[in-house]
Amino acid sequence: AQSVAQPEDQVNVAEGNPLTVKCTYSVSGNPYLFWYVQYPNRGLQFLLKYITGDNLVKGSYGFEAEFNKSQTSFHLKKPSALVSDSALYFCAVRDMGAAGNKLTFGGGTRVLVKP
Amino acid sequence: DAGVTQSPTHLIKTRGQQVTLRCSPKSGHDTVSWYQQALGQGPQFIFQYYEEEERQRGNFPDRFSGHQFPNYSSELNVNALLLGDSALYLCASSPGDRNYGYTFGSGTRLTVV
Repeated sequence: AQSVAQPEDQVNVAEGNPLTVKCTYSVSGNPYLFWYVQYPNRGLQFLLKYITGDNLVKGSYGFEAEFNKSQTSFHLKKPSALVSDSALYFCAVRDMGAAGNKLTFGGGTRVLVKP
Repeated sequence: DAGVTQSPTHLIKTRGQQVTLRCSPKSGHDTVSWYQQALGQGPQFIFQYYEEEERQRGNFPDRFSGHQFPNYSSELNVNALLLGDSALYLCASSPGDRNYGYTFGSGTRLTVV
């Protein structure tokens, strides 16, 4: 079975400060890892993914994430947050060895960037 | 290039009724997955269709069923609606059933009263 935990329901940060959203995962094999962002009344927008290779993944809108196999973590980061980054962020995992495309999502972390 | 298109955008139904939601995948994508996102929660996998067959299913009752057409579009049907079925239903498409290039639609907001 695969699972994802996002330990923080909400993260508050001042505009211009670094932003970190935490994610830990559990899979039986090797993971595919994803970050998505959701704005109010909208679907999910893809930010970045880790499949293999470099542990530091760069994505859209200045976001990046670091894959840490020993800690089973995939934290999302942005060096300088913008007010427009305020949204709901979801981490998701897929077991590389499993059949099908099923993604398992965390419960989400709401990010509030204050001016 | 159109992305994933879902219809309708919003829907209100009464308990016990049946509902059909529709999804057109992104051009070039042949696999469709459906997710249910209850308010304040992460999306939950319902099922996936590839080559017009249900390939994988999550922990949802048989009241939830689906179909995929030869043009790769898909329908999600829910029978005997319950208040707890109120949620945002998301469709995601990808090229192939083992690919990791998912594109999500904007969803259908279903309210059961």
